[in-house]
Parts: sequence; structure tokens; C-alpha cells
Amino acid sequence: DAKTTQPNSMESNEEEPVHLPCNHSTISGTDYIHWYRQLPSQGPEYVIHGLTSNVNNRMASLAIAEDRKSSTLILHRATLRDAAVYYCIPLTGFQKLVFGTGTRLLVSP
Amino acid sequence: EPEVTQTPSHQVTQMGQEVILRCVPISNHLYFYWYRQILGQKVEFLVSFYNNEISEKSEIFDDQFSVERPDGSNFTLKIRSTKLEDSAMYFCASNQGADGYTFGSGTRLTVV
Repeated sequence: DAKTTQPNSMESNEEEPVHLPCNHSTISGTDYIHWYRQLPSQGPEYVIHGLTSNVNNRMASLAIAEDRKSSTLILHRATLRDAAVYYCIPLTGFQKLVFGTGTRLLVSP
Repeated sequence: EPEVTQTPSHQVTQMGQEVILRCVPISNHLYFYWYRQILGQKVEFLVSFYNNEISEKSEIFDDQFSVERPDGSNFTLKIRSTKLEDSAMYFCASNQGADGYTFGSGTRLTVV
């Protein structure tokens, strides 16, 4: 399993953009970079995933470095509902997700 | 939006008793998983299930645990003789590729 490094916590104000970084220097060539989040007292929730190029969906954008050793999850306008723990997880196929400690995002009004 | 449904939301059981946690995955998904999260700790993988058999299991998933897909819709996790340390949130997940893994809201298991 590829090792990931994420900051323990980050803070943001509501309606500001948030950039959540992740280092995954041991990622394999077949690993997609997945991001999940876990809101308080809920199960993990899929956010976005990508392989090489940047990806956008209704929840977020994912910027992947050219060497694929790092990525950044971008929330364009944070809301209070975005306060959660965010996990980046390299993954191939239908393998198990391996959760680290993630980044706890705090959003202030 | 399709959901993974877990029941019950909270189960309290006496040590040594058997419990069955139930999950209804998304109907066209073929890959199923159980995870658990002890309070304040990481989400941990227990087992994955595909084509009516276990495809991978963790060290946590010992002989006390079993999984079953008894019909076309349910996916169950059984703990034969619960211990205090089995107290945790148990999450079921299913996957069919493009949209990532979908998790249920979890069952909080309390062993007393």
C-alpha cells in the first residue's frame, strides 16, 4: 500500500477556497488517487478520484502533480457542511481502501 | 441518489453473544466491503467480498467473524461471540467502479 502524508488539520473561513494537500511519493503506476471525507458521526463519503490529469466534479476539483507524487483537493467555496476529515487514498481497481489519519478541516462562519 | 442501507443503526449486546449486522448494498454493485472504526481511531478494513466469496480479509477478521450474501440484496456481517473490544462503528460499502465506494451510515455496536 502506498504511504500518504497529509497535514493533521487545516482551517478555512466559509465561502473561501480550500486546498488540501497530500503527498503519495510511493504511488504505483496503476494507482488512482481517491479522496474521501468523513463528516462527524457519518460513514466515509466519496469525493473525487483521478489518475493523471486534473479532475472536476460537483463537489470538488483534484489537481495531480505531473510526477503523481502529490495531489491537492480543492474545495472552491467552503461551507460549514464541508467540515470533515479528508483522506487521500491511492488505489488500484477494487482493492480495499486503506484509511490514514487524514486532514481535519475546520470551517468558520 | 442510490444508497447503502445498514440496520440496525445501534445495537447493544452482551459479551459472548452473537450479533448480525445487516447491509443492503446498491443494487447493481458487485463488490462489497465491511470496515470498522473504534471511537477516535482510524477506519479499518475488515473484509471484501466478490462473486459470493471473500476476496480479501484483514488480521482483524478472525474465526469469530463471517460474512454472507444470503439473497440477492442483503450482505451480512456476523460476529459469533462478541468481545468488549468489538465495540465500534461498523460500515458496509459497495463499489462498481466509476463513482467510487459508497458507504452506509454505519451500525454502532456496543458490547457490554
